Amino acid sequence: EDQVTQSPEALRLQEGESSSLNCSYTVSGLRGLFWYRQDPGKGPEFLFTLYSAGEEKEKERLKATLTKKESFLHITAPKPEDSATYLCAVRGSGNTGKLIFGQGTTLQVKP
Amino acid sequence: NAGVMQNPRHLVRRRGQEARLRCSPMKGHSHVYWYRQLPEEGLKFMVYLQKENIIDESGMPKERFSAEFPKEGPSILRIQQVVRGDSAAYFCASSPAGSRYEQYFGPGTRLTVT
Repeated sequence: EDQVTQSPEALRLQEGESSSLNCSYTVSGLRGLFWYRQDPGKGPEFLFTLYSAGEEKEKERLKATLTKKESFLHITAPKPEDSATYLCAVRGSGNTGKLIFGQGTTLQVKP
Repeated sequence: NAGVMQNPRHLVRRRGQEARLRCSPMKGHSHVYWYRQLPEEGLKFMVYLQKENIIDESGMPKERFSAEFPKEGPSILRIQQVVRGDSAAYFCASSPAGSRYEQYFGPGTRLTVT
């Protein structure tokens, strides 16, 4: 069964304190791993897509990496505006477009 | 460049009424997906549609729920005879032709059943 597990559930950082969020996945034949950011009361905002082990993508203070079993979202020198819930998802097995989401990591960055 | 549009943003229904949620995909996108986010739970896939065609409805409850994406107009998620357990945020996403592309989400419709 396809599955995505994110850790930790919640993370509190001081402004400037770098850290990483983890996403472990089980899927038969990875066809894409996706990172989204979700602010309270809003829809998920697309951040990155990764397709193969060793791939890395960067955007401002965020960097996503991928191995055969997990993905990391590294946050370098975070700012309070980075506070949000970060969601990881994989495309389901078979010929389907459905995404399977983890429960998310809620990040709070204090000034 | 308008993103995915959903309306209404908030919908209140009494138990037993019908709820209709609408989704207009991004310009140039022909694939639509519906997801549900229950309180304190993650996003769960419901249905995947192309114009006039349901591709995957494996996440749809067997009863009371239906979805369509007509040739003209928005995609509609319809919930008949709503119950309190249907209270949730319903998100629509769209992608270009081909399920390999990333999905872009709308702002969601928050359904409250009283």
